[in-house]
Amino acid sequence: NAGVTQTPKFQVLKTGQSMTLQCAQDMNHEYMSWYRQDPGMGLRLIHYSVGAGITDQGEVPNGYNVSRSTTEDFPLRLLSAAPSQTSVYFCASRPDRGRNTEAFFGQGTRLTVV
Amino acid sequence: AQKVTQAQTEISVVEKEDVTLDCVYETRDTTYYLFWYKQPPSGELVFLIRRNSFDEQNEISGRYSWNFQKSTSSFNFTITASQVVDSAVYFCALSERYNNNDMRFGAGTRLTVKP
Repeated sequence: NAGVTQTPKFQVLKTGQSMTLQCAQDMNHEYMSWYRQDPGMGLRLIHYSVGAGITDQGEVPNGYNVSRSTTEDFPLRLLSAAPSQTSVYFCASRPDRGRNTEAFFGQGTRLTVV
Repeated sequence: AQKVTQAQTEISVVEKEDVTLDCVYETRDTTYYLFWYKQPPSGELVFLIRRNSFDEQNEISGRYSWNFQKSTSSFNFTITASQVVDSAVYFCALSERYNNNDMRFGAGTRLTVKP
């Protein structure tokens, strides 16, 4: 069982470049989300989706776009990378809208913007 | 608004010592869920426990135990007889029943267990 798969694991971008972080889950979970992890700040929510075709902003959405065309996939797009977006990114999924289940996380993507 | 505070940024102990990681939360919801995750040096996030707001029973799992107290809005995590393999960053998180936003995480506590 693959769970939540993120690609790539590492990425270096130049300022102004765009890229897409991929996230796929094979557990048929309704709920998916993207977080960024920065030192001393824990994980902060970027965007989330409660189901295919529905997305919404989290705590730190600026500079990122998402879409949810299928239940399985939830890509995160950086439109014009900035050094402030250097971070570790985690994708997560949960089976239950009721929030009483744990989130399953991908392995993370370490992104450096130079 | 939901908020999670982990006041201890870093803790260092010697192997076999007991250690408690503090977590204090804020929420307006009467139904909410609390979680602890472990992030070892390899970087993945490992789920440890979930607790809902209606269940204040403490939980023990091997060397791990959790103390949930609604009166003080705390959900503390104790490791008994710590081991080097317990060295990791530990995150406390909160989600609310009627809030579409996902989990709110604390800043994390980095635990170092020295041999």
